[in-house]
Amino acid sequence: QKEVEQNSGPLSVPEGAIASLNCTYSDRVSQSFFWYRQYSGKSPELIMSIYSNGDKEDGRFTAQLNKASQYVSLLIRDSQPSDSATYLCASWAGTYKYIFGTGTRLKVLA
Amino acid sequence: GAVVSQHPSWVICKSGTSVKIECRSLDFQATTMFWYRQFPKQSLMLMATSNEGSKATYEQGVEKDKFLINHASLTLSTLTVTSAHPEDSSFYICSAKTGTSGRGARANVLTFGAGSRLTVL
Repeated sequence: QKEVEQNSGPLSVPEGAIASLNCTYSDRVSQSFFWYRQYSGKSPELIMSIYSNGDKEDGRFTAQLNKASQYVSLLIRDSQPSDSATYLCASWAGTYKYIFGTGTRLKVLA
Repeated sequence: GAVVSQHPSWVICKSGTSVKIECRSLDFQATTMFWYRQFPKQSLMLMATSNEGSKATYEQGVEKDKFLINHASLTLSTLTVTSAHPEDSSFYICSAKTGTSGRGARANVLTFGAGSRLTVL
């Protein structure tokens, strides 16, 4: 069973801090990885994608990929209360199917 | 950017009736669309993969006769919940691969519709 695993949280961080969200995956042939943000009652929206080992930065967000360890993370700098949401990690292995984790709930405390 | 349009955004129906949810790709063609279901505070569950011009591929445990999927064109996929019951009440979300193939910042990106909240009385 190919899986993507995330800690369900909630992860609570104070406003202005760095939030670190982690994800591991089991399918070694996974090629691309995605972080989605889902607000309560809404559908997921893409934050970042990454396919190469290392870091990828976009504004306050940094995605990190370590294929040897099968580990993906998302760092959110200067966390804001508006970042409070559930963050979904997903992998794609070049087939038609995307594998989603169960999501980590982030709470940014004002 | 590419948009996936889904409607209705919410629907209330009586038990035993059928409900149709539409998912449209705007400004791009989607040969494959995915239908997910999400119960409150639970994760996304893939129900089926909708393929233009052919039968949908259903995930294990999803009743194909209850959740009818039709993907008759490259821009429209529909999900019909037949003989709906209160336990079918959920948030249904469609998605399509809107990214380019290969590698790059936008490669293989999955874009979601806004979702349809179904309440069966």
